Amino acid sequence: ETGVTQSPTHLIKTRGQQVTLRCSSQSGHNTVSWYQQALGQGPQFIFQYYREEENGRGNFPPRFSGLQFPNYSSELNVNALELDDSALYLCASSGRGDSYEQYFGPGTRLTVT
Amino acid sequence: GENVEQHPSTLSVQEGDSAVIKCTYSDSASNYFPWYKQELGKRPQLIIDIRSNVGEKKDQRIAVTLNKTAKHFSLHITETQPEDSAVYFCAAPQAAGNKLTFGGGTRVLVKP
Repeated sequence: ETGVTQSPTHLIKTRGQQVTLRCSSQSGHNTVSWYQQALGQGPQFIFQYYREEENGRGNFPPRFSGLQFPNYSSELNVNALELDDSALYLCASSGRGDSYEQYFGPGTRLTVT
Repeated sequence: GENVEQHPSTLSVQEGDSAVIKCTYSDSASNYFPWYKQELGKRPQLIIDIRSNVGEKKDQRIAVTLNKTAKHFSLHITETQPEDSAVYFCAAPQAAGNKLTFGGGTRVLVKP
């Protein structure tokens, strides 16, 4: 069984730029959720994708968008980067049967300068 | 939306003692309550979870209790060991399901 993977590991971008982060879900999982974790805080829910459709969104502006592909991997796109977007971005996969369990990837550390 | 509060923010215990972390939630429709452990620089790891149809669940040295009426749940770690040192997060979903709202975290330090 393959665990959740994310790429890249680290990324440095300039304010105003755009970024794409990638996540491969755990084998057998059809749901991917994205979270933003600022330093010293708990993860904050951005949105969830289930079978290629957005299935719920947290309190994040529209410049945060996503995709899920037929193989259930997912992308998080952030446009017009702001300094406050600097954080660890985590994806979590779930969806085996009726289980709610979510398993996190290692995260992408995004720094906006 | 769901609001989750977690206490204490830091907890220092002697090796072998017990540690208890408490969380409250606001959405009475929430039905799933996981706990995650996050070591420095690593991903959050699911350590135990409980659904709203049970009041307690144990797994070796860790246990979780749930009081649906009071809308709070707790993590209990017995016989703490230095490797239990980490940040622990509770979470509850927005309504039913697993779109999670996390607590602010508890930094646990187990002193040998």
